[in-house]
Amino acid sequence: NAGVTQTPKFRILKIGQSMTLQCTQDMNHNYMYWYRQDPGMGLKLIYYSVGAGITDKGEVPNGYNVSRSTTEDFPLRLELAAPSQTSVYFCASSPPRDTSYEQYFGPGTRLTVT
Amino acid sequence: GENVEQHPSTLSVQEGDSAVIKCTYSDSASNYFPWYKQELGKGPQLIIDIRSNVGEKKDQRIAVTLNKTAKHFSLHITETQPEDSAVYFCAATPISSGSARQLTFGSGTQLTVLP
Repeated sequence: NAGVTQTPKFRILKIGQSMTLQCTQDMNHNYMYWYRQDPGMGLKLIYYSVGAGITDKGEVPNGYNVSRSTTEDFPLRLELAAPSQTSVYFCASSPPRDTSYEQYFGPGTRLTVT
Repeated sequence: GENVEQHPSTLSVQEGDSAVIKCTYSDSASNYFPWYKQELGKGPQLIIDIRSNVGEKKDQRIAVTLNKTAKHFSLHITETQPEDSAVYFCAATPISSGSARQLTFGSGTQLTVLP
């Protein structure tokens, strides 16, 4: 299993541009999450999904959108990028088992908006 | 919503010494408390977790303690080694049947083990 994969690894955007951060997991996990991590801070939840076709807002959803058309993929869309969205973005997934609540993280995407 | 505070933000210890990181949470409904380790340039990885029905859990050199009354939990690493150097995050969430298990993370502790 590749686990959770994210692309791209790095990206520089100009203010006002848009992009999609890709996230794929091959573990057949129901739950998927998007976090952002600012320097010296913990991870803040942007959006999450409990299964295909179901998404919901987390703590910091403004400026982002998500979709979940398949179990495997959970892309994060940035519209009209702003400098405040400069951050490292992590995607995570978790199995539906009640015996394990572990979240498996991808390697992250480092985004700079200038 | 839940609020998790973590201390200290940085911690340096000599190799072989113990390290302790502390977290407090605000939501009395939280019942699941994981600890994640993040190495440079990588995503966080679960190292140990505890549920509210136990007060302590150990896994080799790592242990976590939970005080529900005081709403705080701690990570203890004994016999520290250079490879323990990383950022450690605590988290908390109320888990119930069908819940989405959204974690609220602390701000992290940069642990440096000095040789």
